Amino acid sequence: AQSVTQLDSQVPVFEEAPVELRCNYSSSVSVYLFWYVQYPNQGLQLLLKYLSGSTLVKGINGFEAEFNKSQTSFHLRKPSVHISDTAEYFCAVSSSNFGNEKLTFGTGTRLTIIP
Amino acid sequence: DAMVIQNPRYQVTQFGKPVTLSCSQTLNHNVMYWYQQKSSQAPKLLFHYYDKDFNNEADTPDNFQSRRPNTSFCFLDIRSPGLGDAAMYLCATSRVMASGRVSNEQFFGPGTRLTVL
Repeated sequence: AQSVTQLDSQVPVFEEAPVELRCNYSSSVSVYLFWYVQYPNQGLQLLLKYLSGSTLVKGINGFEAEFNKSQTSFHLRKPSVHISDTAEYFCAVSSSNFGNEKLTFGTGTRLTIIP
Repeated sequence: DAMVIQNPRYQVTQFGKPVTLSCSQTLNHNVMYWYQQKSSQAPKLLFHYYDKDFNNEADTPDNFQSRRPNTSFCFLDIRSPGLGDAAMYLCATSRVMASGRVSNEQFFGPGTRLTVL
């Protein structure tokens, strides 16, 4: 079984400042990792994913994340945030084993951009 | 554009009155999922269909049922909604790859927010 921990439930950041949203996971098997964004009253939209290869993954809207196997982390970063980045961000993990592809989500981090 | 559509976006029902939420997809994906998301919480998987094969999560209450009449449509039925069932309900899909493995990437609809009075 896998689990995901997002330690920060809320992160306020000034506009144009950098941001890092933290995600740690636990799993006994190899995993795939995802970040989803949810705008108010909307579904989840995939920001980026790590399946294999380069540990630095670039996604949409200028976001990137780095997979760190030794620290079991997959933190999300953006060098300069905009008002439009205000949303809920969910980290998710899935087993890489065949037949166990379900996503396990973290509890989310609400990112608020301060003008 | 290929997409996942959920109707209605907002649904109000009365305590104990059956309600059905619908999801359709134009992605032609084999797998369809239903999640429940309560306020400020992570989405919680209720069940999923792999083609016509229904897979229920162990802790999903019997009050929640699902139907998938064809590849494109999937319905969530709540037989007797309680106040605790008020939530956002998310539908998602994923495809089966050439290897036979289900892709871990899921595509989500906009959700239906259910209010129970």
